[in-house]
Amino acid sequence: DQQVKQNSPSLSVQEGRISILNCDYTNSMFDYFLWYKKYPAEGPTFLISISSIKDKNEDGRFTVFLNKSAKHLSLHIVPSQPGDSAVYFCAASANAGNMLTFGGGTRLMVKP
Amino acid sequence: DVKVTQSSRYLVKRTGEKVFLECVQDMDHENMFWYRQDPGLGLRLIYFSYDVKMKEKGDIPEGYSVSREKKERFSLILESASTNQTSMYLCASSPGFAGRFNEQFFGPGTRLTVL
Repeated sequence: DQQVKQNSPSLSVQEGRISILNCDYTNSMFDYFLWYKKYPAEGPTFLISISSIKDKNEDGRFTVFLNKSAKHLSLHIVPSQPGDSAVYFCAASANAGNMLTFGGGTRLMVKP
Repeated sequence: DVKVTQSSRYLVKRTGEKVFLECVQDMDHENMFWYRQDPGLGLRLIYFSYDVKMKEKGDIPEGYSVSREKKERFSLILESASTNQTSMYLCASSPGFAGRFNEQFFGPGTRLTVL
């Protein structure tokens, strides 16, 4: 049973608009959440993270929101650019541990 | 910059062969990981090592073993490859500071096909 789920396998957005990628989790012990971005033929690269003591973290065009009561987090990209087209993975960690649990990924396509 | 390298980008093996996937990191990281990536399933942890000669099973260790004889090198071994092990294999490393989460850095991946 997947503890971290990304229910949308793909998302298509027009350049300049907002992209919203969603992630749900079931394990209440998760206390640190990350988003990774993966281009084809490359390894995932870290994008942004959030601790469970916060509900929002922002880094340039990227903002992650955490709703602990709903066990839900989302990644907002504003404005979206064609170079953002990639697969995005949500990941979670428990008790500041070293192991990550990943979601299935969402393929984002940003159209010019 | 952290660099994680994997010995092969693409590999084709036959059923029953013994397969070695090598991973090397150059940042003196304590922790190293092997994942496999399959469509819709994301990244699933196969094995994790937090020190030389130390290892822990991840979520899907069956059919795999690992070796960490040196701090910078972590090998994944498929003792007898099967077709259901066709996948993208990703290695990662992270520093070992206790009590805080540490970002993982990934290699480019090895696309393994077992015929």
